[in-house]
Amino acid sequence: QVQVVESGGGVVQPGGSLRLSCAASGFSFMGSDMFWVRQAPGKGLEWVAFIRFDGSNERYADSVKGRLTISRDNSKNTLHLQMNSLRTEDTALYYCAKSGDWAFDVWGQGTLVTVSS
Amino acid sequence: QSALTQPRSVSGSPGQSVTISCTGTSSDVGGYNFVSWYQQHPDKAPKLVIYYVDNRPSGVPDRFSGSKSGNTASLTISGLQAEDEADYYCCSHAGSYTWVFGGGTKVTVL
Repeated sequence: QVQVVESGGGVVQPGGSLRLSCAASGFSFMGSDMFWVRQAPGKGLEWVAFIRFDGSNERYADSVKGRLTISRDNSKNTLHLQMNSLRTEDTALYYCAKSGDWAFDVWGQGTLVTVSS
Repeated sequence: QSALTQPRSVSGSPGQSVTISCTGTSSDVGGYNFVSWYQQHPDKAPKLVIYYVDNRPSGVPDRFSGSKSGNTASLTISGLQAEDEADYYCCSHAGSYTWVFGGGTKVTVL
């Protein structure tokens, strides 16, 4: 069964840090590009970050550049998102997604990040 | 990285067809055939329904179809059914491994 499962969300104060994880199974993780996408409460989807299958290339939305870092451990089939200098506007449900045919073809259920004092 | 433009809502009666537009620029929708569409029911994860402008993943009903003309992509749902009531998002590659989503369209089945 092809799936990705996110974890690591929680409540953090502005300026704080959090590390999200995404466990992949049922497909060739080391052969797949991966994404993080977020959705603020009651709002639409926002692409956050991308990483190539071998970790050779990373890209970020302008809104998170310099604060969020995507990484992966192909030996553990795990994707990460290190979140630093968090702002209230980073409050959202964070989805991990697999890339397929230049689309987001497998999605997790998301992990909620709340930035609040 | 400006969001693609979608209508806030569209509606139709069961059996009718509805079309959702997605307007971008020559730097995203108009520049690549990497346009995809996602269906999202309340409190559920998004689901891919169209990729490469007009391709359906296995298991997606053929009443869902996609197209593109210039900087505007479209999703058409033919033979509208009650279970099609959901939010729909377009997405386009925007160069250099970056992506941009539309603001989303709520489809209501009357």
